Amino acid sequence: GAVVSQHPSWVICKSGTSVKIECRSLDFQATTMFWYRQFPKQSLMLMATSNEGSKATYEQGVEKDKFLINHASLTLSTLTVTSAHPEDSSFYICSAVDRPSYGYTFGSGTRLTVV
Amino acid sequence: QKEVEQDPGPLSVPEGAIVSLNCTYSNSAFQYFMWYRQYSRKGPELLMYTYSSGNKEDGRFTAQVDKSSKYISLFIRDSQPSDSATYLCAMMSNYGQNFVFGPGTRLSVLP
Repeated sequence: GAVVSQHPSWVICKSGTSVKIECRSLDFQATTMFWYRQFPKQSLMLMATSNEGSKATYEQGVEKDKFLINHASLTLSTLTVTSAHPEDSSFYICSAVDRPSYGYTFGSGTRLTVV
Repeated sequence: QKEVEQDPGPLSVPEGAIVSLNCTYSNSAFQYFMWYRQYSRKGPELLMYTYSSGNKEDGRFTAQVDKSSKYISLFIRDSQPSDSATYLCAMMSNYGQNFVFGPGTRLSVLP
């Protein structure tokens, strides 16, 4: 089946710094990847849709200048949280779809803590 | 009305019980239906995937889809403590389009 690798699995950073999270499709090409955010005891919230070779599409209320998304190749999308603040502390998850029979495959997530 | 609704729980059952998890939805365009399991601090893991109405069984898990009622279910037989997790239903209309999650149901299976 399809595999999505996400790195790092956890990161702690100081307030004001930037953090980059990588999402890779290991055995398939993904023209589209998705980035979600999840707060404790809440469901996943779609932040943005990452399209290879073009600008990402952000959901309403998500600051595109703060959450920079780059989909440079068919197997890699990155999310950079710029000038991170404690309120950005959350669980970030990426996903991609290989083919309809596989549904959406998710990365293992990145727990970001901003101190 | 939310597009997908799911009982948030938490749901606690004794080991060996049959668990029924349910979702209702409002968009009749949904055709692909999925159930994900998410352990704490982990990404969602695909459990079941069905297209259109009908039943699908995989081991202890059975997924049911009733498009006429806009209602989907996941049954877990002989539940185990290792089944304790949050279960999310999800659906989409066409290939890779309009993918929506339910809010999730937290399940605890007590030994």
